Amino acid sequence: GENVEQHPSTLSVQEGDSAVIKCTYSDSASNYFPWYKQELGKRPQLIIDIRSNVGEKKDQRIAVTLNKTAKHFSLHITETQPEDSAVYFCAASKGSNYQLIWGAGTKLIIKP
Amino acid sequence: DAGVIQSPRHEVTEMGQEVTLRCKPISGHNSLFWYRQTMMRGLELLIYFNNNVPIDDSGMPEDRFSAKMPNASFSTLKIQPSEPRDSAVYFCASSPDRGEQYFGPGTRLTVT
Repeated sequence: GENVEQHPSTLSVQEGDSAVIKCTYSDSASNYFPWYKQELGKRPQLIIDIRSNVGEKKDQRIAVTLNKTAKHFSLHITETQPEDSAVYFCAASKGSNYQLIWGAGTKLIIKP
Repeated sequence: DAGVIQSPRHEVTEMGQEVTLRCKPISGHNSLFWYRQTMMRGLELLIYFNNNVPIDDSGMPEDRFSAKMPNASFSTLKIQPSEPRDSAVYFCASSPDRGEQYFGPGTRLTVT
């Protein structure tokens, strides 16, 4: 079955710097890759997603890149701010009726 | 749109008691997912439904756990009898079958 690995488990960056979180997946049939942000005590919330027919997608300070050949995708956050501190999860899915396979999460710490 | 609704938000019960968690998905969404989240085990998929039919319940930990979806707007997750190791945050999520999932606020269950 599908397996999603996420690195690093913890990432500490200075406020204003960029943060990059990486995920790899094992099933080449996977075609949907969302990223979720979970603040302490809150629910996971979808922040950006990408489908396998595109290589990059941006939304203001966040972007996701996908390399289908290498089977990895990454979340990029630029100009980090204190409110970016949270746990970020990547996931992969093979289609609209399939479950998401989740990464283990990355705790992002923004240092003032 | 009210989003996914879960009740109760907090539940404290004694070991051996029956616990019922409730979920109302977003109107028009065809899939519903039950997750459990703990510090030790992270985010685990328990069961998911598509068009009210259980598709995959391989994540249900034991026979003490059961889930139903009698109609498109309501689902329950029942634990009987409850044990202290069931203490966790239980999330319900729904999906419009494009891949993305939208989470409810969660139910924090404490079994003493």
